[in-house]
Amino acid sequence: QVQLVQSGAEVKKPGASVKVSCKASGYTFTSYYMHWVRQAPGQGLEWMGIINPSGGSTSYAQKFQGRVTMTRDTSTSTVYMELSSLRSEDTAVYYCAREAYYDSSGGVAFDIWGQGTMVTVSS
Amino acid sequence: DIQMTQSPSSLSASVGDRVTITCRASQGISNYLAWYQQKPGKVPKLLIYAASTLQSGVPSRFSGSGSGTDFTLTISSLQPEDVATYYCQKYNSAPREYTFGQGTKLEIK
Repeated sequence: QVQLVQSGAEVKKPGASVKVSCKASGYTFTSYYMHWVRQAPGQGLEWMGIINPSGGSTSYAQKFQGRVTMTRDTSTSTVYMELSSLRSEDTAVYYCAREAYYDSSGGVAFDIWGQGTMVTVSS
Repeated sequence: DIQMTQSPSSLSASVGDRVTITCRASQGISNYLAWYQQKPGKVPKLLIYAASTLQSGVPSRFSGSGSGTDFTLTISSLQPEDVATYYCQKYNSAPREYTFGQGTKLEIK
């Protein structure tokens, strides 16, 4: 079945970097864009950016420009999200999510989500 | 940037009630809007895309409407399993933006 499986929880110190992985299975990896979304404890969803697994092109939310890097490995159908210069406000669950494009309506939405990876930033 | 404003931020309703959640865009976004449901401690789930199209497998008591700047998510008859936070999300192609609303927490009265 179609699924996204993310790497496990991380604890990092302020100023460090974290790299979260998201392995796709059950579909053609290069046919769907992938996104990263985060959710701080008790807060809403925040879009971070998108990667095209086919060519590797990326686009990041302005808030994360310069601190986030999204990459992919087509040989293992895995996308990665690296966030640097971590601060306490980056403590959150990080999700990868597949973008579905619906030809008939022109709609775009996130139809498959990873299970989430908790990243805790604490000294 | 186009901002998305959901209302109310929380609501409490009785089983069987008709529930409506509103999402307003600061500029017109055509029908580029999706709705998600997130139950406590769970991963978000896609309910509706293109403002009004029900995702496969989603109960028919959920419906979406709107275009331009004003959108609604309606639950025709609230069920206990609908307790969740609901998010709208807009999509913009240039520049690429996928902004979420702040969420509406729905509880059973």
